[in-house]
Amino acid sequence: EAGVAQSPRYKIIEKRQSVAFWCNPISGHATLYWYQQILGQGPKLLIQFQNNGVVDDSQLPKDRFSAERLKGVDSTLKIQPAKLEDSAVYLCANSFTPYEQYFGPGTRLTVT
Amino acid sequence: EDQVTQSPEALRLQEGESSSLNCSYTVSGLRGLFWYRQDPGKGPEFLFTLYSAGEEKEKERLKATLTKKESFLHITAPKPEDSATYLCAVQGSYGGSQGNLIFGKGTKLSVKP
Repeated sequence: EAGVAQSPRYKIIEKRQSVAFWCNPISGHATLYWYQQILGQGPKLLIQFQNNGVVDDSQLPKDRFSAERLKGVDSTLKIQPAKLEDSAVYLCANSFTPYEQYFGPGTRLTVT
Repeated sequence: EDQVTQSPEALRLQEGESSSLNCSYTVSGLRGLFWYRQDPGKGPEFLFTLYSAGEEKEKERLKATLTKKESFLHITAPKPEDSATYLCAVQGSYGGSQGNLIFGKGTKLSVKP
């Protein structure tokens, strides 16, 4: 079974620029999550999708972050405009059951 | 507010020296407690899910246990390849974190040959 794919793996941008991350989930896994992991911290949930719909986006900074899930499969997370404090690893995770989540390798974002 | 605290922050062991990692939690209605392993530059890798106090699960040199307030990850006779950051997370049944994973900061384990 193929794992969760994410791209790009690394991105360096200047503050106030925009950036987008892409996630291709495990086939058949209906639930998709985006997490932000700041260095030295555990992952923090940004948004959860169930198929095409948003289940929870309470911790997503909606003034600058947006996310969508296309046809219940791939997903993109966008930041516009980026701030220095957005420097982190952005992780995409999938689950088939409500319990076990499987993570992709992440995208490391550096905002200068 | 649901919360997870892991200790120690870092642990250095000699190969073969057994030890335990601690995960203390407060959650409104525990649906599950999860252990993940994270290697540098990679996403967390799922290890175990524990659902109720008294439950234990094992995988190779790792054994996870759960009480009503904390979980332990016991590492028996560790090898250098066990070096990684171990993350604990809880999933609650109620409130703002319902269905979502709340992670601790992790314990960074280093095993020297």
